[in-house]
Amino acid sequence: GAVVSQHPSRVICKSGTSVKIECRSLDFQATTMFWYRQFPKQSLMLMATSNEGSKATYEQGVEKDKFLINHASLTLSTLTVTSAHPEDSSFYICSARSQGVREQYFGPGTRLTVT
Amino acid sequence: LAKTTQPISMDSYEGQEVNITCSHNNIATNDYITWYQQFPSQGPRFIIQGYKTKVTNEVASLFIPADRKSSTLSLPRVSLSDTAVYYCLVAFLGGGATNKLIFGTGTLLAVQP
Repeated sequence: GAVVSQHPSRVICKSGTSVKIECRSLDFQATTMFWYRQFPKQSLMLMATSNEGSKATYEQGVEKDKFLINHASLTLSTLTVTSAHPEDSSFYICSARSQGVREQYFGPGTRLTVT
Repeated sequence: LAKTTQPISMDSYEGQEVNITCSHNNIATNDYITWYQQFPSQGPRFIIQGYKTKVTNEVASLFIPADRKSSTLSLPRVSLSDTAVYYCLVAFLGGGATNKLIFGTGTLLAVQP
């Protein structure tokens, strides 16, 4: 149980275009979802926290107009990277958590490459 | 300032016990400490979680001193497949109702035959 999926696993896009990444909890209801970014050989950095039905809370330094997060249902959250640039190339990982449960379950990650 | 520190890397041989420590001053008093394993280009995988003293499961043990300013992940007998990056995840007071969860800097464990 407690499986989180992400789609796509890899995506290549041209500079200036937008990319949407989906995060789904497959067998539980995720009241809270987290989005992380990980650059090569670095730790995971929290970008934002989203609660179902509410606006996401962004970490300091993360542009909310550039990284649009939607958490419209208890099983799906999306991250849209708008007007992507090469410096947005990174590994994006989501995690999900049920209400009252301490543990986060992580997705497999999405490798974004902006050319 | 919320900060966690881990050794950058560790080397070991198959069959040995490996201990990886994470230093985390000023963590939230009401939250747990969690350790994850990550292979290249994959999401983190849960290893173990604890609040204080010692926790043991089928793959690892976690030692947390009374002051909770550090935690030590112990892998009893490592194998080649344990070569990965290991992260602690701890909570700091977020200034609101929700704690801020921060990953440690990560430790690359290299297991040799």
